[in-house]
Amino acid sequence: QVQLVQSGAEVKEPGASVKVSCKASGYTFTSYYIQWVRQAPGQSLEWMGWIDTDYGYTKYSEKVRGRVTITRDTSASEAYMELRSLTSEDTAVFYCAREGRSASTFDLWGQGTMVIVSS
Amino acid sequence: QSALTQPASVSGSPGQSITISCTGTGRDVGNYNYVSWYQQHPGKAPQLIIHDVSRRPSGVSDRFSGSKSGSTASLTISGLQAEDEADYYCNSYTSSNTRIFGGGTKVTVL
Repeated sequence: QVQLVQSGAEVKEPGASVKVSCKASGYTFTSYYIQWVRQAPGQSLEWMGWIDTDYGYTKYSEKVRGRVTITRDTSASEAYMELRSLTSEDTAVFYCAREGRSASTFDLWGQGTMVIVSS
Repeated sequence: QSALTQPASVSGSPGQSITISCTGTGRDVGNYNYVSWYQQHPGKAPQLIIHDVSRRPSGVSDRFSGSKSGSTASLTISGLQAEDEADYYCNSYTSSNTRIFGGGTKVTVL
């Protein structure tokens, strides 16, 4: 079954870091980029970054650059998104998505991971 | 980079057609045919409904169609149905090899 399965919900204190995983199955992991998108409560989707799962190249949005690192483990068919120096504004659902054959075609999504930042 | 511009809300009666616009710039929508649209129901992950401006993935209703003129892309929903009530987002590739979403449009079926 072609799917992306993400790690479970997290509660973090301000200033901490969070690492969300995204496990791919049912397709060749290294044939597609993985994108990371977040959605704060009641807000719109926000693109965070991508990783070329084959070569490991990454690209990040200006908003989170410097605080985010996206990595992958090809042997485990897993991608990871780590966000540091968390504030309450980082409270959101984080999604990983597979980018299909064309740019900006997010054709497969994970179920989402809720991250709550609260003291 | 600011989000692509979408109307906050659009409404229509069952059976009618509605159109959602998505306005960008020459650095994204205006210069690339890599525009996609997503439908998101409350509490659910987004679902791809249009890619490459006007292509529909397998399994998506042909009531959904996409187009582009200049720096504005559009999503049209024909024969509006109750199940179409959801949030809709556009996305574009950019000249910086990043991706950018629109602010989202809430579709209400009256």
